[in-house]
Amino acid sequence: QLQLQESGPGLVKPSETLSLTCTVSGGSISSSSYYWGWIRQPPGKGLEWIGSIYYSGSTYYNPSLKSRVTISVDTSKNQFSLKLSSVTAADTAVYYCARASGFSDYWGQGTLVTVSS
Amino acid sequence: DIQMTQSPSSLSASVGDRVTITCRASQGISNSLAWYQQKPGKAPKLLLYAASRLESGVPSRFSGSGSGTDYTLTISSLQPEDFATYYCQQYYSTAYTFGQGTKLEIK
Repeated sequence: QLQLQESGPGLVKPSETLSLTCTVSGGSISSSSYYWGWIRQPPGKGLEWIGSIYYSGSTYYNPSLKSRVTISVDTSKNQFSLKLSSVTAADTAVYYCARASGFSDYWGQGTLVTVSS
Repeated sequence: DIQMTQSPSSLSASVGDRVTITCRASQGISNSLAWYQQKPGKAPKLLLYAASRLESGVPSRFSGSGSGTDYTLTISSLQPEDFATYYCQQYYSTAYTFGQGTKLEIK
């Protein structure tokens, strides 16, 4: 059974860079034709797709976040990562990683990241 | 970006009711539509993809239909565990977008 787990700091200061990692277990991130992605959800609000990556490193991003987002993959560790720069309070959200080739069938449990000084 | 508009934004219904939620895309998305269920504090759960294909393990009381820009999620007979928030998502464009959600509450 495929499992995904987010990890990273729960508190980030304004103007700094948010960094999260998703560890995939129960399957290889590079053995199948799937993209892997990040989705976020501000408290009490809806879902926002951030971006996705293929194991080869091919990416595509939400145009509204593209200038601040970098998603990378480490196949040796079966992980992919999110960096979001110049964060503000508006970036406070639960961040989910997911298998994301179009629709998302496997999700991590989510991790709350708060942007505050 | 393709905008996804769900209606209604909230809905009260009773156990046993038939419920329909609508999702409208700002342009045609060729059935590249998924539906998710989310309960408080939990990750979304995939219910249907390709507009009408039921994800493995999802009860058959959930069904989806539609074409072009207009899609629906139907729950044929509401069960207590179905009270949750539902989201649609288009994946026709690589800039995936979600609807704003429909909160289904117990009447």
